[in-house]
Amino acid sequence: GEDVEQSLFLSVREGDSSVINCTYTDSSSTYLYWYKQEPGAGLQLLTYIFSNMDMKQDQRLTVLLNKKDKHLSLRIADTQTGDSAIYFCAERRSSASKIIFGSGTRLSIRP
Amino acid sequence: DSGVTQTPKHLITATGQRVTLRCSPRSGDLSVYWYQQSLDQGLQFLIQYYNGEERAKGNILERFSAQQFPDLHSELNLSSLELGDSALYFCASSPLDFLNTGELFFGEGSRLTVL
Repeated sequence: GEDVEQSLFLSVREGDSSVINCTYTDSSSTYLYWYKQEPGAGLQLLTYIFSNMDMKQDQRLTVLLNKKDKHLSLRIADTQTGDSAIYFCAERRSSASKIIFGSGTRLSIRP
Repeated sequence: DSGVTQTPKHLITATGQRVTLRCSPRSGDLSVYWYQQSLDQGLQFLIQYYNGEERAKGNILERFSAQQFPDLHSELNLSSLELGDSALYFCASSPLDFLNTGELFFGEGSRLTVL
């Protein structure tokens, strides 16, 4: 199947870490992505990870991949108000060009 | 600004009508993707074109059709509209090296409201 699942909402306090989780079902998925959608805008690629990697770090962002459990997470350190957005997890098989997105997790930041 | 242009930004129409959404990809991008974003369905892949030819098809209804023209712009046609077609329709394009990075560049979307 081609299902990517995420929780719909997450609320964190400013300065704390945010962890957004995602599960996918296609074990042949080779590329996994995190996209960010700010209010009134289209999606923008935040980061991606290949399935042969366990972790990828990019400044405040850390992506963890558990291929056995088909679980992907995005950690945002020191969450700021500018991080308020919808975060989409997505997957793609190496043989395919289409990207399948999850429903998105709306991250809200409280003071 | 992603470089992907979508028109119109907003559209309000009645059930049974037909509309056309337009997308101009980033300069140099040959692939165009259409996605539908609704509150209850999340972001659904509809269809992809590459250099004028259909490349992949997702959950696109038979009432919907798309095409990519020689100048690489694309149109999504939605006909016999129903209330449930109300959604944000995104177009995205990808660069020539898409198969390496998988990065899609999204437009700001066309918000369709069917009354």
